[in-house]
Amino acid sequence: KNEVEQSPQNLTAQEGEFITINCSYSVGISALHWLQQHPGGGIVSLFMLSSGKKKHGRLIATINIQEKHSSLHITASHPRDSAVYICAVADGRDDKIIFGKGTRLHILP
Amino acid sequence: DAGVIQSPRHEVTEMGQEVTLRCKPISGHDYLFWYRQTMMRGLELLIYFNNNVPIDDSGMPEDRFSAKMPNASFSTLKIQPSEPRDSAVYFCASSSPKILAGSGELFFGEGSRLTVL
Repeated sequence: KNEVEQSPQNLTAQEGEFITINCSYSVGISALHWLQQHPGGGIVSLFMLSSGKKKHGRLIATINIQEKHSSLHITASHPRDSAVYICAVADGRDDKIIFGKGTRLHILP
Repeated sequence: DAGVIQSPRHEVTEMGQEVTLRCKPISGHDYLFWYRQTMMRGLELLIYFNNNVPIDDSGMPEDRFSAKMPNASFSTLKIQPSEPRDSAVYFCASSSPKILAGSGELFFGEGSRLTVL
């Protein structure tokens, strides 16, 4: 069983839709990261959080430590949001970062 | 700052050849990470350094892989001899966490795409 599970694996939506990507993990963590990887391959850090909620523009990330779950939301989605979104957790036992397999998001114009 | 700089961006080589990938972290960052990304396994941590010292190399697949960080502004990942199964994108990232290695924002390089024929 993967220690970091993301869902869905693939998501296609129409421009303007509200998007939710989920991440569940099985270990105690010191931090959770949301990363974005564009088709060109570069990886950008979107959020790092250990509690509560963070917002940046149209992106919102939440985390529930008790339930070991995080969500990434995109409001008013746009074709330029098309990318792979990767959840990663810093394992509280040894501080290693464990990556999810990613969610491939495709926003249609 | 120019961000994390990796070279080469693309490398095609033949099985058995030595491959050296290079990384320049963001100035002032004291953690440097090497990751490998494949379709099958996604992103995997290979090794990370803190203040130029290797802290955890348990992700390095085998003895053919080695990494060094001779100073705060340069690191190399070497594969010798290379094999087709080493074909992947290798990312370098740096960060400057306040407390723990995993709790700092990660800044990634563009990656080095390696193809071993």
